Formats: sequence, C-alpha cells, structure tokens
Amino acid sequence: GENVEQHPSTLSVQEGDSAVIKCTYSDSASNYFPWYKQELGKGPQLIIDIRSNVGEKKDQRIAVTLNKTAKHFSLHITETQPEDSAVYFCAAIKNNNDMRFGAGTRLTVKP
Amino acid sequence: DTAVSQTPKYLVTQMGNDKSIKCEQNLGHDTMYWYKQDSKKFLKIMFSYNNKELIINETVPNRFSPKSPDKAHLNLHINSLELGDSAVYFCASSQDARLQSEQYFGPGTRLTVT
Repeated sequence: GENVEQHPSTLSVQEGDSAVIKCTYSDSASNYFPWYKQELGKGPQLIIDIRSNVGEKKDQRIAVTLNKTAKHFSLHITETQPEDSAVYFCAAIKNNNDMRFGAGTRLTVKP
Repeated sequence: DTAVSQTPKYLVTQMGNDKSIKCEQNLGHDTMYWYKQDSKKFLKIMFSYNNKELIINETVPNRFSPKSPDKAHLNLHINSLELGDSAVYFCASSQDARLQSEQYFGPGTRLTVT
C-alpha cells in the first residue's frame, strides 16, 4: 500500500521567513496530493492541492511543488505570519479510494 | 452556521462501554467520512459513505459501526470500548465520493477511554 513520509516533524521559523515541508510517497499511481492545516482544537482544513499532471501550484503566500519522478511534493509558505502556526499534513490519494496522510509537521512562527 | 458539526466534543468513558458519536453536515454534500487521529496526531481514514451507502471501509475493528440515516448524518457507534480507542475522531463531508473532492472537517470528538 501507499506510504507517505513527511519531514520535518517540527519546524520553527521567524516571522517573515519562509517555511518548507516535504513529503515523499511510495506508490507512483498516486495522483492527487492535498495539504491540510490543523489549528489547535480544530479539524484539518484544505489549504492547497496539486494533481499529478501539474508540477507547481501557487495561491498567494503558499505554493506546492510536485516531482513525480522522485515521488515527492513540498509545501512552501513565504512571508510567514504567527497565524500560520499550526500542524500541517500532506496526503497522497490513489484511485479515489486510497488516502494516506503524512505524520504532520508542527510549524511555529515566532513573532 | 456550522458546516460540519459533531457531538459530543468530549467523551470520557470506561473500557467495555458502548458509545456513539454523531455528525451532521448542512452543506448538502453527498459524501461523509470518519477519521481517527491518535495521540501522535497521525490521521487515518476509517469510513466513507456516499448517499447513505458505505464506499470506503478501511481495516477497522468490527466494534466500530457507522450508520447513516440520511446523507446529512453519519454516526459512529463503538462497542466494547478499549484503551486504544482513545483518540480524536473527525467527521468530514465532501460534495461527491471522489477523494479529490475538497473535504470539510468537523471540530472533532476527543474520546478518552479509562
């Protein structure tokens, strides 16, 4: 089955700096890769996603890149703000019926 | 207006008991899900229902039984609770059954089994 690894498990940055979180997946048949943000005491919320036919997608301060050959994808947050502090999860989906999450990255943005 | 709501928010119970968690969505979505998030924050899909029909059933003990009385509700009943069932359970919904459809999560139910 699919296996998704996410690094780092914790990340601390200064406000205004960039943050990068990386995920690797094992099954080349995976074709959809969402990223979720989970704030304390809340459920995960989709922030950006990418499909396997696209290499990069950007939405304001966040971007996701996908390298299908290497089977890894990354979340990039620029100009970080304290409200970006949360746990971020990547996921890989195959065949619309198999969804695996990474273990999560706790991002702390220091003011 | 809460899109996906769950009750209760917290549930503390003893081993061996039977308990239910309820979920409701007012988004008009066809598909609903249950996820389990353990103490290490690891998130795993358990079930999904599309129009009251079970479509995803991951390897979950049969002590867990989802029930969907209508497409706006998906309840989770757990029999003979065990210590390892302690976790946060999230309900979610999406427009359709494709996992690529954006999922909206509820606030979670923190279950503690003592």
